[in-house]
Formats: sequence, C-alpha cells, structure tokens
Amino acid sequence: NAGVTQTPKFRVLKTGQSMTLLCAQDMNHEYMYWYRQDPGMGLRLIHYSVGEGTTAKGEVPDGYNVSRLKKQNFLLGLESAAPSQTSVYFCASSRLGRGDTQYFGPGTRLTVL
Amino acid sequence: ELKVEQNPLFLSMQEGKNYTIYCNYSTTSDRLYWYRQDPGKSLESLFVLLSNGAVKQEGRLMASLDTKARLSTLHITAAVHDLSATYFCAVDFNTNFGNEKLTFGTGTRLTIIP
Repeated sequence: NAGVTQTPKFRVLKTGQSMTLLCAQDMNHEYMYWYRQDPGMGLRLIHYSVGEGTTAKGEVPDGYNVSRLKKQNFLLGLESAAPSQTSVYFCASSRLGRGDTQYFGPGTRLTVL
Repeated sequence: ELKVEQNPLFLSMQEGKNYTIYCNYSTTSDRLYWYRQDPGKSLESLFVLLSNGAVKQEGRLMASLDTKARLSTLHITAAVHDLSATYFCAVDFNTNFGNEKLTFGTGTRLTIIP
C-alpha cells in the first residue's frame, strides 16, 4: 500500500513550456486535490475532484488544468509555465469530503526559469 | 474573506518546556485539522477536530477546538527534539461553491533546543 505517490519529484522548466504532474493513490479514495505551497504561506488549493470524471476549481486555478479519467489518478497540467508557478506541488486524497483526513503525497518541486 | 491565522509563526523552545500554538479563523466552521510537516517532506495528519469542545491527544500533543471563539490550540507538553517541525492548522469552511476546500494557516515553525 503506497498511499499517495507523485511523479516527478523535481522538474525544471523554461517559461512557456508545458508539463503534466501525475498523482496516484491506491486507497480507493473518491476525493483528490492539488495544492501548491510557497515559502511563508500555507497550502493553497488549485483544483480538486470529488470522483472519477469530475473536477472543480479551488482557490488558485488560473494557469492550471486537471483531469481525473481514472479514480486512482489525478493529473495537473501546466500549458504554458510561468515563473510565478515555481512552487512545491502536493497532491492529496480523502475517502470522504468534509470532515475526513486528507492524505498527502511527497510533493513535486517545480522551478520555472 | 476566509482567513486562518496562526501564531506564533516561529517558536524556539527548550526541551522539557510546555507551549501552545494558536490558530484563529475568520468565519464559522466546526471542522479543523492539524498537520505536521518535516523539512522537505510531505504533510502528516495529526488531529481532526469535528465539533465545539473537541479535544484530542496523541503523546505530547493535545489539540482543542472552540468554535464560538473561532480558535484552536495545539499544546505541547514537555517538548522533545523529535517534535521540531512546521505545524499547520487548516479549516474546512462551509462555502457556497463547494464544501471540499481546506484553508490553511501559514504554519508555525517549531524548533526544540536541547
């Protein structure tokens, strides 16, 4: 039981390049989330999903897209990376929504030059 | 505006001492979470508090929730070095656009000094 995994762990992009971050969970959780963490700030929700085939915007969705084609996977895409998207990205999942513990992945450190 | 404020932001304390981290939030909620993050690592769930007056304890950590005061506390008893980490509280606000959104505080970086 690996829990929540993320790939890649590190990535450096040039401005304007695109990439996809993959999150996978093996706990059969319905809910999945993408957060970003910037220095001196707490985590901010980018997008989330309440089940396979669903996605919804969070607090800071601009510049990102997501897809949840399979229940166990949640993909975060950057179509045209900007330096402001330099951050550490965390994926999380939970069995239920409100009131349930979210389990976090190890994070992806992204640098956009 | 949905805001979650923690204080202090930085805390150095000696081993064996007691201290409290405070988490204030701006609007009604009865669901609050505490997480721990070690440097360069992911977040680990510590406590989930789901009602007014809820108190939970695990080892040297105890968390409580006062929904009327919009305040949660994380109390550390007889600190040991292993507790050095950044602690985040997160509040589950009941929003119109969805109820799966956690708002995180900025974190309290705790350093335990021998």
